[in-house]
Amino acid sequence: QLQLQESGPGPVKPSETLSLSCTVSGGSISSTSYYWGWIRQPPGKGLEWVGSIYHTGSTYYSPSLQSRVTMSVDTSENLFSLRLRSVTSADTAVYYCARIINYTILGVVLKSGVGYFDLWGRGTLVTVSS
Amino acid sequence: QSALTQPASVSGSPGQSITISCTGTSTDVATYLYVSWYQLHPGKAPKLLIYEVSSRPSGVSNRFSGSKAGNTASLTISELQAEDEADYYCHSYTSSSTLEFGGGTKLTVL
Repeated sequence: QLQLQESGPGPVKPSETLSLSCTVSGGSISSTSYYWGWIRQPPGKGLEWVGSIYHTGSTYYSPSLQSRVTMSVDTSENLFSLRLRSVTSADTAVYYCARIINYTILGVVLKSGVGYFDLWGRGTLVTVSS
Repeated sequence: QSALTQPASVSGSPGQSITISCTGTSTDVATYLYVSWYQLHPGKAPKLLIYEVSSRPSGVSNRFSGSKAGNTASLTISELQAEDEADYYCHSYTSSSTLEFGGGTKLTVL
């Protein structure tokens, strides 16, 4: 049973960089069938897709965050990571990692990294505060 | 402000059926069959209930069903149970090749 587990160093100060990792267990992050992604949920608000990454390192970020986001993958450790620069209180959220199944049409991938999230981690709360 | 509009809350009694709507536009729900639904319980990993409008992943109860008409997608939960009390989110592909979520609906089982 594949599982995902988010981890991070804890609170972040405004203007600093938020860093999180997602460890995949019970399966390989190098599977050719899936992308991997981050979704976040600010307190009392809805979900927001942050970005997606393939095991090769190919990425696709939300346009609203792409100027501040970097995602990376470490296949030897079976994990992928998120870095969000220049954070503000608006970046306080529960951050979830998830596995993505690409949308396809007639067997052709619509857009790599864009799909539905079939497995999720439990999420980790990241607070941005001075 | 979420791009997809869901009711903030719905409620129902055990054994009843409820429907949660997800209203989008011509740039998302109306055009594409790429709508999914997720169940969120506090402290637990979110769960995929429905993908591609009406497909149900293996292991998800057939009490959960999805549909779409025009720019509105719907999630129906039949034979409501206490454990169905949770937050529910719809999700769609958009014409900008991005993903967007609804604002979420809190389901209360009376």
